[in-house]
Amino acid sequence: SQKIEQNSEALNIQEGKTATLTCNYTNYSPAYLQWYRQDPGRGPVFLLLIRENEKEKRKERLKVTFDTTLKQSLFHITASQPADSATYLCALGTGAGNMLTFGGGTRLMVKP
Amino acid sequence: EADIYQTPRYLVIGTGKKITLECSQTMGHDKMYWYQQDPGMELHLIHYSYGVNSTEKGDLSSESTVSRIRTEHFPLTLESARPSHTSQYLCASSGDYPQETQYFGPGTRLLVL
Repeated sequence: SQKIEQNSEALNIQEGKTATLTCNYTNYSPAYLQWYRQDPGRGPVFLLLIRENEKEKRKERLKVTFDTTLKQSLFHITASQPADSATYLCALGTGAGNMLTFGGGTRLMVKP
Repeated sequence: EADIYQTPRYLVIGTGKKITLECSQTMGHDKMYWYQQDPGMELHLIHYSYGVNSTEKGDLSSESTVSRIRTEHFPLTLESARPSHTSQYLCASSGDYPQETQYFGPGTRLLVL
């Protein structure tokens, strides 16, 4: 069956360090992968999209990699700040009708 | 900030009541979605729509129903609320390729007593 795995344990890091979050998937052939940020009690907010033919995407302090052979995406936040503390969700899209399947998310805590 | 709105933000209601959760977007998106999310858990798609008069059920079975009479409006209705319906309900919309990103509303937190 199709499965998306994100580390359910919270990731605690010190301010200024690079946070790296992992998204693994099985039994999918995604056309693209997206990362969202979700704060408590709020809806997810889109951060980055990377397509199957792209290896890496950057936006300011964010970087996403996509390895379709390993079936894995890595999400990096460089020079992390306490304001980056949130839950980060990966979502896979097959390209059919913009349907997304979300992972369970990883909670990031950045300590000052 | 995305232009997608949900009301009410919070709702506490008794068992057996009929409720409608409202969702509106001003972006002119054809595609709209309803997700259900329990605290700390995954988002599950319960309904989606490709446009006016189009509604489909999502991956997670739900006793709720939806309608899409206008492009900007996608309400969700529960005919008879039960405690098992207690959850957060998130509405989203998206444009067409290559803008596959989904824009989410703030959510409605529902508590059925």
